[in-house]
Amino acid sequence: DQQVKQNSPSLSVQEGRISILNCDYTNSMFDYFLWYKKYPAEGPTFLISISSIKDKNEDGRFTVFLNKSAKHLSLHIVPSQPGDSAVYFCAASRTGANNLFFGTGTRLTVIP
Amino acid sequence: ETGVTQTPRHLVMGMTNKKSLKCEQHLGHNAMYWYKQSAKKPLELMFVYSLEERVENNSVPSRFSPECPNSSHLFLHLHTLQPEDSALYLCASSQDQAGATGELFFGEGSRLTVL
Repeated sequence: DQQVKQNSPSLSVQEGRISILNCDYTNSMFDYFLWYKKYPAEGPTFLISISSIKDKNEDGRFTVFLNKSAKHLSLHIVPSQPGDSAVYFCAASRTGANNLFFGTGTRLTVIP
Repeated sequence: ETGVTQTPRHLVMGMTNKKSLKCEQHLGHNAMYWYKQSAKKPLELMFVYSLEERVENNSVPSRFSPECPNSSHLFLHLHTLQPEDSALYLCASSQDQAGATGELFFGEGSRLTVL
């Protein structure tokens, strides 16, 4: 059973607009959440993370929001750029665990 | 030189072959991982090594056999695989175990096709 879900396999956004990628999780023990970005023929690279003690973390154009009551997090990219076109994976872990649980990914296409 | 290097990038093997995937990390990290990515499925953890000791074996069939001879190298030995084992195999490393910081550094992956 998938503990981290990304229900949108793909998303297309115009350059300069906001991209919003969503992620849901089922395990209330998760206390650390991450987003990874993956370009074709490359491995995933870490993008941004958030601890469960926060509800928002911002890094430049990227902001992650966490809603613990809804078990939902989202990644906002503003403004979106063509170079942001990639597959974005949501991941979650809990303190002391050896594993990250990943979603299936959302393919973002930013149209120039 | 990239942080985590995987070889080969592509591998085609028959069900009776024996082959190995290699991973090398140049980051001085203490933990290394094998993940499997199948089409339309999330990344699945296979094995975790921390300080060269296996700390996680995620119910992986015995036809996959990991080896971690030192903290910089990780192997995945493959034998008598099935076609459904065809997937992208990703190696990753982290400074500490994943539960501490969650940040993994991935290699580019080895694309395996089993005929």
